[in-house]
Amino acid sequence: NAGVMQNPRHLVRRRGQEARLRCSPMKGHSHVYWYRQLPEEGLKFMVYLQKENIIDESGMPKERFSAEFPKEGPSILRIQQVVRGDSAAYFCASSPGPTHLHFGAGTRLSVL
Amino acid sequence: AQSVTQLDSQVPVFEEAPVELRCNYSSSVSVYLFWYVQYPNQGLQLLLKYLSGSTLVKGINGFEAEFNKSQTSFHLRKPSVHISDTAEYFCAVSDLDKGGSEKLVFGKGTKLTVNP
Repeated sequence: NAGVMQNPRHLVRRRGQEARLRCSPMKGHSHVYWYRQLPEEGLKFMVYLQKENIIDESGMPKERFSAEFPKEGPSILRIQQVVRGDSAAYFCASSPGPTHLHFGAGTRLSVL
Repeated sequence: AQSVTQLDSQVPVFEEAPVELRCNYSSSVSVYLFWYVQYPNQGLQLLLKYLSGSTLVKGINGFEAEFNKSQTSFHLRKPSVHISDTAEYFCAVSDLDKGGSEKLVFGKGTKLTVNP
């Protein structure tokens, strides 16, 4: 059973471009969470999704950020018009229900 | 709102020495507590968790933690560390809302460096 798969592992974008981060949860897991880790900081919750539903997006910035978890395919975290402050590691986690989370290896976004 | 304080940002120790990484949390309700380890350029791996029952929790790689409700602490310990334990350690508390989501609140992390 493969773990949580995130791609790409590293992503470089110039200011103003779009970033798309993908997360494939573990088989059988229907809950997906996105967290952001800024340099020298702990992880901060962004959004919690189940298939085709956003359950809690209280940690998402109000503009430029969106997330989806379609019926088929991976969960996508999309950042439009990236700025330097978006540079961070973005981690996805999945769980089969309200139990402990399994984290992916993360996507490290660098904005030039 | 819940919060987690990891009192030490960096902890250097010698190999085979004991180590304690401190974690305090604030919450007005019962909580679940977790310790995760992050090796360089990798994701987080669960070390151990406290959900209920015995306050002494044993995890992987010889780590253990003790839940102390009166002191709102959940310190992580290992009696004898190895070079391979060099990593960053994160304490987290769950924020189980009415929807049942496991939204974790993390501390800022403690970098453990084990020297030969």
